[in-house]
Amino acid sequence: KQEVTQIPAALSVPEGENLVLNCSFTDSAIYNLQWFRQDPGKGLTSLLLIQSSQREQTSGRLNASLDKSSGRSTLYIAASQPGDSATYLCAPFTGTASKLTFGTGTRLQVTL
Amino acid sequence: NAGVTQTPKFQVLKTGQSMTLQCAQDMNHEYMSWYRQDPGMGLRLIHYSVGAGITDQGEVPNGYNVSRSTTEDFPLRLLSAAPSQTSVYFCASIGVDYGYTFGSGTRLTVV
Repeated sequence: KQEVTQIPAALSVPEGENLVLNCSFTDSAIYNLQWFRQDPGKGLTSLLLIQSSQREQTSGRLNASLDKSSGRSTLYIAASQPGDSATYLCAPFTGTASKLTFGTGTRLQVTL
Repeated sequence: NAGVTQTPKFQVLKTGQSMTLQCAQDMNHEYMSWYRQDPGMGLRLIHYSVGAGITDQGEVPNGYNVSRSTTEDFPLRLLSAAPSQTSVYFCASIGVDYGYTFGSGTRLTVV
């Protein structure tokens, strides 16, 4: 059974800092890994999708890397802004029962 | 805008009532799923479908029913609502690259 852990569970930083959010998973036989953000009381917004054959994906100030063999992914946020405050979820997809397994999430707060 | 539409956004039910949560997607995806999100439990898979006419159970299917008569729609039925089904429900549509697109959710309270 896939288990996903995200570290840290919570993070508070001043605006402008560069951040690294970590995700580890136990089953390396994944098709892809997706990073989402969730604002309080809202749905999940897809940020980045990394296929198993890729090492990283970039979108604006976000960069996600994937080391499938070691079961790790990182989300790098450059020059953080208060609007980045949200919970970030990591989700590897194994294809088993079409199931996306979610991590526990990292709750990020960026202060002025 | 292309995406996943869920209705209603909020619902309050009495114990024992039944209702259907609607989910529709306009991306022509074959795969769709229903999740529930509870504090401290994360997102858990209820049911999923790999195409019209084909559905299967996830990890928490009890008390829920689904059908998939068209590619676009994947409704979730609560047969007899219980307080334990108070949750936020998310529908997802899954692309050919297995990227997930989620709806905005239905917040359900059972009293």
